Amino acid sequence: GAGVSQSPSNKVTEKGKDVELRCDPISGHTALYWYRQSLGQGLEFLIYFQGNSAPDKSGLPSDRFSAERTGGSVSTLTIQRTQQEDSAVYLCASSQRSYNSPLHFGNGTRLTVT
Amino acid sequence: AQSVTQPDIHITVSEGASLELRCNYSYGATPYLFWYVQSPGQGLQLLLKYFSGDTLVQGIKGFEAEFKRSQSSFNLRKPSVHWSDAAEYFCAVGAHMVYNQGGKLIFGQGTELSVKP
Repeated sequence: GAGVSQSPSNKVTEKGKDVELRCDPISGHTALYWYRQSLGQGLEFLIYFQGNSAPDKSGLPSDRFSAERTGGSVSTLTIQRTQQEDSAVYLCASSQRSYNSPLHFGNGTRLTVT
Repeated sequence: AQSVTQPDIHITVSEGASLELRCNYSYGATPYLFWYVQSPGQGLQLLLKYFSGDTLVQGIKGFEAEFKRSQSSFNLRKPSVHWSDAAEYFCAVGAHMVYNQGGKLIFGQGTELSVKP
């Protein structure tokens, strides 16, 4: 079946602009995660959605970052007033249930802030 | 707080040689442990996982990992490496679900594996 889909695959933006990154999880997966992967930094947890519960936003690096998940499915990660240090690959993952089920990752969105 | 350490940033092995990638975790209770692999330009793929029971777990592509509670380790091994194994490998720990924490996974920094002919 279809995997986790992320769009766009690449995004180049100017410093100070806002960007939106989209994630379509696997159908039926109730948990959705956003991670950021910077060069040599591993995967940094950003935010986690599980069903209708309040999201775990503990990893968002600043108030310029926000995310929403509409109808328990598609999620959008928004970065306002982008900075050069926001340049990274943003990975989305989904899983069938929150309790330590394996994550299925998308191929990511490579964001470059010039 | 949970944390994962992968001491080796980059490892090079010869094709056909054995491989061991190290992973140490910090977590107060019994952890749920995972190894993921990321090929260039791709998302992460689950190699194997440990939840409970037998401490030696088998995964895909001929990989295995052993959970050693006394050493807080979950090292990944393969007896004979193939050129196609060149990729980045991530160890991760998941906490038992607690209120408003859910199934958040904490990843290590990753180990890049190069395979020479």
